[in-house]
Amino acid sequence: DSGVTQTPKHLITATGQRVTLRCSPRSGDLSVYWYQQSLDQGLQFLIQYYNGEERAKGNILERFSAQQFPDLHSELNLSSLELGDSALYFCASSRQPATDTQYFGPGTRLTVL
Amino acid sequence: KNEVEQSPQNLTAQEGEFITINCSYSVGISALHWLQQHPGGGIVSLFMLSSGKKKHGRLIATINIQEKHSSLHITASHPRDSAVYICAARYNTDKLIFGTGTRLQVFP
Repeated sequence: DSGVTQTPKHLITATGQRVTLRCSPRSGDLSVYWYQQSLDQGLQFLIQYYNGEERAKGNILERFSAQQFPDLHSELNLSSLELGDSALYFCASSRQPATDTQYFGPGTRLTVL
Repeated sequence: KNEVEQSPQNLTAQEGEFITINCSYSVGISALHWLQQHPGGGIVSLFMLSSGKKKHGRLIATINIQEKHSSLHITASHPRDSAVYICAARYNTDKLIFGTGTRLQVFP
């Protein structure tokens, strides 16, 4: 158990819908990262937050947004969902960005029908 | 373009064999990560290194900065080592660029 929690574990929804994925980092970790793993693209970095502020952005679509709250939990919002958004979404956390090991949550499996 | 390449894509071994997985990256990096993804999907961070060598149990990770190459070695492999091993390079930002992974199966 990494100490990073993600909810929900599984999510099935329809095209055009909007969903919110939630991540609670390990106690004391200030940095949160979001990743997408799809069958055709592999693991891709989406976005990183550090102590409430966006720090780095990767291949995140405009339909997706994220934020980190004062209690350090983070949410990833996916809207106008398409079939291709079906993937595993992982959250990871670390104490400090760049220099520390990242601890991964169990992931949320999103299926868009 | 920052890229990460792994080889082999698939690897089959008998229990007890010495395993090597390779990772090459295209330009200078600040750190190289090795991750293990279990059949159930969970990801565990194995190593983060920027130079030299690190060891944890039967796992050893090395990096050669001049050759832009890293290796993950597993000594005395065991069926429970069966997983996908992924390397990821951190460049100047905090973004990780991932390799495509190496699927390892160790048979008894």
